[in-house]
Amino acid sequence: EPEVTQTPSHQVTQMGQEVILRCVPISNHLYFYWYRQILGQKVEFLVSFYNNEISEKSEIFDDQFSVERPDGSNFTLKIRSTKLEDSAMYFCASRVEQGNTEAFFGQGTRLTVV
Amino acid sequence: AQRVTQPEKLLSVFKGAPVELKCNYSYSGSPELFWYVQYSRQRLQLLLRHISRESIKGFTADLNKGETSFHLKKPFAQEEDSAMYYCALSAGGSQGNLIFGKGTKLSVKP
Repeated sequence: EPEVTQTPSHQVTQMGQEVILRCVPISNHLYFYWYRQILGQKVEFLVSFYNNEISEKSEIFDDQFSVERPDGSNFTLKIRSTKLEDSAMYFCASRVEQGNTEAFFGQGTRLTVV
Repeated sequence: AQRVTQPEKLLSVFKGAPVELKCNYSYSGSPELFWYVQYSRQRLQLLLRHISRESIKGFTADLNKGETSFHLKKPFAQEEDSAMYYCALSAGGSQGNLIFGKGTKLSVKP
């Protein structure tokens, strides 16, 4: 069964460093998302991506965040200058189409900023 | 504001007992509601969606617009049902962004 794949599973970085979280969505899916979950809190929407551009973003997704689909298979989330409060579990998700369809989630990347 | 509320952080029941995981939502339009489940060390996966009116693994959820609720129910809990359960609302627009509740941890004891 096709799956959304995320790498790495765990990333430790120093405050102020740039990180890139990688995701490979399911191949025929068209809508891509990043969510994050700070420890003990709810899963929060960050950004959605369709047709090679951001379609919607939350207040959390400020200028230090960016997303890219560089090669038609990978979908990356870049945090330009990490802060301690960026420590969280980051989930990638994809959907085949709009409407009431299932979002498939990756296993997540645990980002720890020290 | 769009919001999903799951009032219970933890729900502990014995095997064979009925289970009800509560979910209330706040949304101005016609909501699209989902239950996602996360078993230990596994990814979030869809359990059911209100529009399908289906029963998955014995779970059902009925959308009550009057009470703005979408509670998840199962008449007889099994140990393998132990997991985190998240109620989610699909935000307005075509992009289908999900707004999640905080989740309820269901623990089914033998």
